[in-house]
Amino acid sequence: DVKVTQSSRYLVKRTGEKVFLECVQDMDHENMFWYRQDPGLGLRLIYFSYDVKMKEKGDIPEGYSVSREKKERFSLILESASTNQTSMYLCASSFRQREGTQYFGPGTRLTVL
Amino acid sequence: AQRVTQPEKLLSVFKGAPVELKCNYSYSGSPELFWYVQYSRQRLQLLLRHISRESIKGFTADLNKGETSFHLKKPFAQEEDSAMYYCALKGSSGDKLTFGTGTRLAVRP
Repeated sequence: DVKVTQSSRYLVKRTGEKVFLECVQDMDHENMFWYRQDPGLGLRLIYFSYDVKMKEKGDIPEGYSVSREKKERFSLILESASTNQTSMYLCASSFRQREGTQYFGPGTRLTVL
Repeated sequence: AQRVTQPEKLLSVFKGAPVELKCNYSYSGSPELFWYVQYSRQRLQLLLRHISRESIKGFTADLNKGETSFHLKKPFAQEEDSAMYYCALKGSSGDKLTFGTGTRLAVRP
């Protein structure tokens, strides 16, 4: 059974703080993704990675960065959190050749005050 | 650019009624289409893929290239079908998976 875990279910941070969201998958997937999920906007891709140390910008990368030091772990970093980054953040993973079939984590609901 | 449109934010039906969740797409090539579902307090998960031509939990979806649609259908809705449904498109190699804005299905008893 594929397992994608995220470090926190709920997180409350203050404006300007540095925020780390961690994601770990145990299925040896090459691809990992970070999305944010907002009502009425669906899922929007922030960053993705096809391999260790590789990262690519998605549709809305501004204000975010990522790190992939190990194959199973993909971190999303908010360098200086702002209130407009209050959202649900979803991590996902997939095999390289089956990118349409993604496995999602439970999500982290981040509130920036 | 690839685009997925789900015109309904909310679809409310009675138990036992037929359900059709609409999905239209814009893509110049041959896309792969998917439906994902998120039940209350559960993670987002794949429901079905058009290339599998399968029926999952009584749901089916047919890719209509002429109308560029991939509507999700079920003949008799159940209360446990209440969830958020997302249509998604994957283009050719190098293109990312693009999600629609989602439709919330509410099945009333």
